[in-house]
Amino acid sequence: IAGITQAPTSQILAAGRRMTLRCTQDMRHNAMYWYRQDLGLGLRLIHYSNTAGTTGKGEVPDGYSVSRANTDDFPLTLASAVPSQTSVYFCASSVTSDNEQFFGPGTRLTVL
Amino acid sequence: GQNIDQPTEMTATEGAIVQINCTYQTSGFNGLFWYQQHAGEAPTFLSYNVLDGLEEKGRFSSFLSRSKGYSYLLLKELQMKDSASYLCAVRDGDYKLSFGAGTTVTVRA
Repeated sequence: IAGITQAPTSQILAAGRRMTLRCTQDMRHNAMYWYRQDLGLGLRLIHYSNTAGTTGKGEVPDGYSVSRANTDDFPLTLASAVPSQTSVYFCASSVTSDNEQFFGPGTRLTVL
Repeated sequence: GQNIDQPTEMTATEGAIVQINCTYQTSGFNGLFWYQQHAGEAPTFLSYNVLDGLEEKGRFSSFLSRSKGYSYLLLKELQMKDSASYLCAVRDGDYKLSFGAGTTVTVRA
């Protein structure tokens, strides 16, 4: 079934630990995105990639890094997690940056 | 950056009509999107406007006025399953989306 998947579904993490959130899509979309969603703030863009091999910073990139080695995968890494990174993280993809975005099911991350 | 405002909550009766307003101030404009998000789920695409006017898609319609920095989403013949959050998002000149905080719509029997 075509779509976008994220792993893990949820995670509790100790502060200071390193964590990678995984995102994979099989729709051959060129553009991919990472957002975090916090109550009252809506979705905020962390990083994006318009095509494999390129990445860019969004509104809230500090403390996060991404890579885009191929079309399908777009992992998000927290090098040293802090409690303020507790959030729900959504990965999204679109055919190109000019098209509507499709969202994955999300990862609920709690940093203690 | 973007400044996007929409009401926090709205309540309506099953079968009624609800209009969700969204105002925005942008440093470049390349279209406005509406997404629906049920509690605990991912956002799903509803509509897209880039030119002024009304776009109709079944029970849902979306309107845009670029000169006023204003859009609305109109939900007709409300059903219980329409209870969800509705997110207004503006795409800037770099093709990045900025989202409003969302409007939670509760449909009552």
